Amino acid sequence: KAGVTQTPRYLIKTRGQQVTLSCSPISGHRSVSWYQQTPGQGLQFLFEYFSETQRNKGNFPGRFSGRQFSNSRSEMNVSTLELGDSALYLCASSMAQFLDGTDTQYFGPGTRLTVL
Amino acid sequence: GEDVEQSLFLSVREGDSSVINCTYTDSSSTYLYWYKQEPGAGLQLLTYIFSNMDMKQDQRLTVLLNKKDKHLSLRIADTQTGDSAIYFCAEGPMYGGSQGNLIFGKGTKLSVKP
Repeated sequence: KAGVTQTPRYLIKTRGQQVTLSCSPISGHRSVSWYQQTPGQGLQFLFEYFSETQRNKGNFPGRFSGRQFSNSRSEMNVSTLELGDSALYLCASSMAQFLDGTDTQYFGPGTRLTVL
Repeated sequence: GEDVEQSLFLSVREGDSSVINCTYTDSSSTYLYWYKQEPGAGLQLLTYIFSNMDMKQDQRLTVLLNKKDKHLSLRIADTQTGDSAIYFCAEGPMYGGSQGNLIFGKGTKLSVKP
């Protein structure tokens, strides 16, 4: 079974631009979560999507948005990029079969975004 | 607020045991997790423990949970050079919540010397 895939793997943008990152979950997984990883702040939860609906959201400004499609693939968008948005963006998927948290999250390799 | 803390570095010799410690603050968390991240890779789930358990063993890995002190540890027996990586402790979610909003520590970098 193929793992979680993220595209692109590396991206360089300049301040003020916008960027769209893509995540394809493991086949059959319905939940997709996004995390930002930086050396200073570590791993921080961005948002989670389930059945095309945002189910949870972390403490990030409105410049960060996402969506999920009917095939469970997800995209996240960052508008008006700032230098501080440089990070590794990780996507994770799970089957979301259970409400008690026993689903395992599987992480993709991440997209390394550099903002110049 | 919610916070998960870990020491940043640990160095051991090959064949020794490694113990990575973590403290957390949210007593409502359902599960506590250990993830491993190798250079250039995403996170790999190593093991997790339900919040009402004290211990879980999985081959070379032993997880100990002291819920009173909100302290979690991961012991790796017979540590190998391939175990060199960053290890993240994470907590969440509240019972009945989705798993998407895990709270992570900043990670412990384990270096294994031959």
